[in-house]
Amino acid sequence: ETGVTQTPRHLVMGMTNKKSLKCEQHLGHNAMYWYKQSAKKPLELMFVYNFKEQTENNSVPSRFSPECPNSSHLFLHLHTLQPEDSALYLCASSQDSDRSYNEQFFGPGTRLTVL
Amino acid sequence: GQNIDQPTEMTATEGAIVQINCTYQTSGFNGLFWYQQHAGEAPTFLSYNVLDGLEEKGRFSSFLSRSKGYSYLLLKELQMKDSASYLCAVSDSNYQLIWGAGTKLIIKP
Repeated sequence: ETGVTQTPRHLVMGMTNKKSLKCEQHLGHNAMYWYKQSAKKPLELMFVYNFKEQTENNSVPSRFSPECPNSSHLFLHLHTLQPEDSALYLCASSQDSDRSYNEQFFGPGTRLTVL
Repeated sequence: GQNIDQPTEMTATEGAIVQINCTYQTSGFNGLFWYQQHAGEAPTFLSYNVLDGLEEKGRFSSFLSRSKGYSYLLLKELQMKDSASYLCAVSDSNYQLIWGAGTKLIIKP
């Protein structure tokens, strides 16, 4: 048990659908992250929240919309996705996002397939 | 640009030793992390180096040379359960992790 949970674990959606990914951390951390992991590519940081405030948005297309209602919950709202958006979406948390020792704890990920 | 390089795949024998290298070029340096990721699972933390030298933790050790932009992860007494991907990541000047693509380690009996 990593202390970070994600739902759903698997998601198949059409390009016109709207869906949301959910992440919850039980570690008392202040920072949460969304990453995209594609096969044989480095983890791509999408969004960072620190104390519920978005601190990073790495040029992510607007079809991905994050929401962080509190320090324990993070959502990724999806709409009009493209097939190239199919990937593993990982959520992570850490004590803070602006310190040297920034060990991140990951959830199991959501395997997304866009048809 | 920022870049992390590590081999795509390595093969080793059960009981042996393997060294996985990582070289990096980043804007600033606030430490280097190694993570392990089994297929279909979350990455899990293995080690953190911020000063030059070797950090040992059981069967796993991690080395850092900041002047060379180089690190390695050393795995001893390999077990079948060590078959996984090993991810190198550097914390840059903004404390964001820059990730390598990972090294898939295959352990053979």
